[in-house]
Amino acid sequence: QKEVEQNSGPLSVPEGAIASLNCTYSDRGSQSFFWYRQYSGKSPELIMSIYSNGDKEDGRFTAQLNKASQYVSLLIRDSQPSDSATYLCAVNVGGSQGNLIFGKGTKLSVKP
Amino acid sequence: GAGVSQSPRYKVAKRGQDVALRCDPISGHVSLFWYQQALGQGPEFLTYFQNEAQLDKSGLPSDRFFAERPEGSVSTLKIQRTQQEDSAVYLCASSWGGETEAFFGQGTRLTVV
Repeated sequence: QKEVEQNSGPLSVPEGAIASLNCTYSDRGSQSFFWYRQYSGKSPELIMSIYSNGDKEDGRFTAQLNKASQYVSLLIRDSQPSDSATYLCAVNVGGSQGNLIFGKGTKLSVKP
Repeated sequence: GAGVSQSPRYKVAKRGQDVALRCDPISGHVSLFWYQQALGQGPEFLTYFQNEAQLDKSGLPSDRFFAERPEGSVSTLKIQRTQQEDSAVYLCASSWGGETEAFFGQGTRLTVV
């Protein structure tokens, strides 16, 4: 059974702090990794993708991938109340099939 | 179109009724996915199409669930004899294929009463 695990939270951080979201996956052959943000009652929205080991930065967001440890994380710098949402980690396990497996999501709350 | 479009946005069905949910993917996207999302949970994979071929239907919870994409574009998810446990948001996503990112529609919220 291919799995993606996330801490369900809620994770609460003060405004301006760094929020750190973590995800582990079971399929060692996975090659592509995605972070989606989902506001309550809305559909998931892609915010970061990462394909190779190391860090990838986009504005206030940094994704980190360690394939040896089967671990992917998302850092949000200078957290804002508008960042409050559920963050879903997704792993493409299907190769040519392109099947995305999602974690259950971590709920982030940024307090003003 | 500019994004993935799903209809209807909301559907209330009486238990035992059949329903059909439509997904119109981003133009040219090869891959199309259906997910089921229960309240407070992440999306759960239902089925996957590459063009008109249904390559993976391992997530469909029972034989009451059926999906098709006959011309490799619009897809329909059909649920026969709906049950209360079918109540969820049904999300459709599409992508260029392979390991590219998927983009989601707004979802259809199905409530079975």
